[in-house]
Amino acid sequence: QQQVKQSPQSLIVQKGGIPIINCAYENTAFDYFPWYQQFPGKGPALLIAIRPDVSEKKEGRFTISFNKSAKQFSLHIMDSQPGDSATYFCAASTYYGGATNKLIFGTGTLLAVQP
Amino acid sequence: ETGVTQSPTHLIKTRGQQVTLRCSSQSGHNTVSWYQQALGQGPQFIFQYYREEENGRGNFPPRFSGLQFPNYSSELNVNALELDDSALYLCASNPLGGGTTSYNEQFFGPGTRLTVL
Repeated sequence: QQQVKQSPQSLIVQKGGIPIINCAYENTAFDYFPWYQQFPGKGPALLIAIRPDVSEKKEGRFTISFNKSAKQFSLHIMDSQPGDSATYFCAASTYYGGATNKLIFGTGTLLAVQP
Repeated sequence: ETGVTQSPTHLIKTRGQQVTLRCSSQSGHNTVSWYQQALGQGPQFIFQYYREEENGRGNFPPRFSGLQFPNYSSELNVNALELDDSALYLCASNPLGGGTTSYNEQFFGPGTRLTVL
């Protein structure tokens, strides 16, 4: 119930394409869903995050779509560039006053954007 | 504003030894979480420290322990190192209990790469 399932494991797109990465969760108590980008040898960097009260959030070229009833959320990268080539992780967490807000991560998607 | 920093960058130890990793939280953040990231995997939550006390723990044995100091910096200690402890250890900070929507935003440091031989 604590798992976050992420797909695909890897993805190759051409420059300008729109890669889509999907995640699914079981725990309905999750109330925060971030996406992180990680380059080799670096720590994850927060890209964008969404709460369950909205169905979509856009920040620059990154969009999260959220389907509460299906317990799924996805990341879309518009006009992808070779510099977007990295590993992307979805995550989820829950927070109640005084409790930990630990992040549960998906298994990651290795994205390659070809020039 | 200074981001999350970690030291050392890389570390090589032998099985059975002990190791201490250090983390300085982002300015204004009172909570530090530690994660273990094995090669090709997502980060796994080890534990979190809030106001110098452990505030939640993942599925890691007691030989993984930590501290948080009054300036909110933190240490991760691992005793009796095993080969499977080889991983990237990540520290993340956030302003827990701030009463704002940003309380869940965890910002990660660059990590410490631990190799156990």
